[in-house]
Amino acid sequence: GAVVSQHPSRVICKSGTSVKIECRSLDFQATTMFWYRQFPKKSLMLMATSNEGSKATYEQGVEKDKFLINHASLTLSTLTVTSAHPEDSSFYICSARDLGPGSKMPSETQYFGPGTRLLVL
Amino acid sequence: SQQGEEDPQALSIQEGENATMNCSYKTSINNLQWYRQNSGRGLVHLILIRSNEREKHSGRLRVTLDTSKKSSSLLITASRAADTASYFCATDGLPYANQAGTALIFGKGTTLSVSS
Repeated sequence: GAVVSQHPSRVICKSGTSVKIECRSLDFQATTMFWYRQFPKKSLMLMATSNEGSKATYEQGVEKDKFLINHASLTLSTLTVTSAHPEDSSFYICSARDLGPGSKMPSETQYFGPGTRLLVL
Repeated sequence: SQQGEEDPQALSIQEGENATMNCSYKTSINNLQWYRQNSGRGLVHLILIRSNEREKHSGRLRVTLDTSKKSSSLLITASRAADTASYFCATDGLPYANQAGTALIFGKGTTLSVSS
């Protein structure tokens, strides 16, 4: 089945630094990928929709200058947390839909990456 | 944004008992999906039910969907300690013939604890 990978799986950084998280679809193409964040004991909150070759669409309340998203190819989207602060510490998860076999139609199933745990000290 | 609520927020049962979790949502959907997440880990897709379906089974899982009430339930029968996890419903508003531009919107989740 389709697989989505994330790298790194875990990162610890100092306050004020930037951290890049990669999301890759390994055996399918994804024109659109999604980024979620999850605080401890909470649900997944959609942050933004990453569109290949165009600007990302951010959810209300998510700072686009803080969370930079680049979707340069059909298999890779990156999320950069700029000038990270302790309150950015969270579990970040990406997902993507397969375009569907032999057509432009997306599958119903959305494939999730394993997540990246960010700790900002 | 979150679609709605899961009920209950936390559920503790004994092995062998059944666990029922409910999910309510707010908008029209094309399908509703249930996921499991073990503590600190990624999501595991459990089951998908389409808007024109009322009930679906998969092993020990039974999912119902009532689009008139905008609600769904997940029943886990004969629970095991390994079922201990958080369970989330997620709604998919992807309309037919649209491209892959719609994200799943998650409910708040139910934390299930199964003791042996």
